[in-house]
Amino acid sequence: EVQLVESGGGVVRPGGSLRLSCAASGFTFDDFGMTWVRQAPGKGLEWVSRINWKGDSTGYADSVKGRFTISRDNAKKSLFLHMNSLRVEDTAFYYCARASVVDEALDIWGQGTVVTVSS
Amino acid sequence: DIQMTQSPASLSASVGDRVTITCRASQSISTYLNWYRQKPGKAPQLLIYTASSLQGGVPSRFSGTRSGTDFTLTISSLQPEDFATYFCQQSFSMPHSFGGGTKVEIK
Repeated sequence: EVQLVESGGGVVRPGGSLRLSCAASGFTFDDFGMTWVRQAPGKGLEWVSRINWKGDSTGYADSVKGRFTISRDNAKKSLFLHMNSLRVEDTAFYYCARASVVDEALDIWGQGTVVTVSS
Repeated sequence: DIQMTQSPASLSASVGDRVTITCRASQSISTYLNWYRQKPGKAPQLLIYTASSLQGGVPSRFSGTRSGTDFTLTISSLQPEDFATYFCQQSFSMPHSFGGGTKVEIK
């Protein structure tokens, strides 16, 4: 079964750090680019970051640029999001998603992990 | 950055109704437009990619069209499981922005 499972969410104080992980199974992980998307409580979807299959090309939303770093370990079939200098407004459900090869549509999603930034 | 403007923000409809949701891109995105359905408490699900291609396993009542920078998602006959929130997304250039969403509620 094709599956993505996120972990690493939790409660952190403003200015703190957190690392999210996403474990992939059921498909050839290093054939696909991967993306993080977040959703604040009661709000819409926000594209956060994307990494290509090899890990040498990345992109970020302006709201997280310079604070978040996306990375991957193809040998371990894992995607990561390193989050530093966290702000209250980073509080959200964080989803990892697989980007289709042709057009980068997000065709497989994890169940999400919650990040709460609060003092 | 490309802005995606989705309308309406919400709508009320009945089972069996035909529903149309629109998304407008702030600049040309060719056909790099995707549609997702998100049921309450669940992750989003891809419905349509490249503006009009139906994702595998998605019912044929869903369809997508493009006219320039305007895109439309149509549900031909609304089913109970379709009461959800729908999002468009452009994957033409990063950041791959989403529209604000359309919540489809039961009339």
